Amino acid sequence: QVQLQESGPGLVKPSGTLSLTCAVSGGSISSSNWWSWVRQPPGKGLEWIGEIYHSGSTNYNPSLKSRVTISVDKSKNQFSLKLSSVTAADTAVYYCARDATVGRYFDLWGRGTLVTVSS
Amino acid sequence: QTVVTQEPSFSVSPGGTVTLTCGLSSGSVSTSYYPSWYQQTPGQAPRTLIYSTNTRSSGVPDRFSGSILGNKAALTITGAQADDESDYYCVLYMGSGVRVFGGGTKLTVL
Repeated sequence: QVQLQESGPGLVKPSGTLSLTCAVSGGSISSSNWWSWVRQPPGKGLEWIGEIYHSGSTNYNPSLKSRVTISVDKSKNQFSLKLSSVTAADTAVYYCARDATVGRYFDLWGRGTLVTVSS
Repeated sequence: QTVVTQEPSFSVSPGGTVTLTCGLSSGSVSTSYYPSWYQQTPGQAPRTLIYSTNTRSSGVPDRFSGSILGNKAALTITGAQADDESDYYCVLYMGSGVRVFGGGTKLTVL
């Protein structure tokens, strides 16, 4: 079955850029799904960051839009997140998730990866 | 910006019934927002429970049900069990691909 796996540096310096990748296995990123990033600061709630379609079309959380770039690499069957100008407030577990083809919900989740912003 | 509201915490007795709600800071929740619900235990990724207001995800017990109650989306757990003690999040679809999570409800079963 399809699985998602996040990867990337666990520590990023303040003012730097956070970069994560979500590898899709057991299925194609070019399926009729959108692919999302969601984050969760320690002890806090979930926040949707944005999504991408295999064509490269994106939608972003308006509150993060100025700092976020989500891209797709169909040759590697993965999609990526870049978050610029990070601060300690961006410290969180970052999840990648698959948007269901019908119903506008997340039907598959990665296990998440903790990214800490600290000098 | 639109805020999605949930009760911060709730408690239920084992075997009891509890209804968690998901509202909007301004306006009413309808099926057009495609409300979905997720369960999360500490250290784990969220688990999808309900989508499109009232459709249970595969493998979800039928003691979990979704609905619209008044001007809010609702998640009802009937016959609560100890392992239902979790955080519960709703998500509303705002259009143009934008989703907003509620702040989550911490459910205690005691």
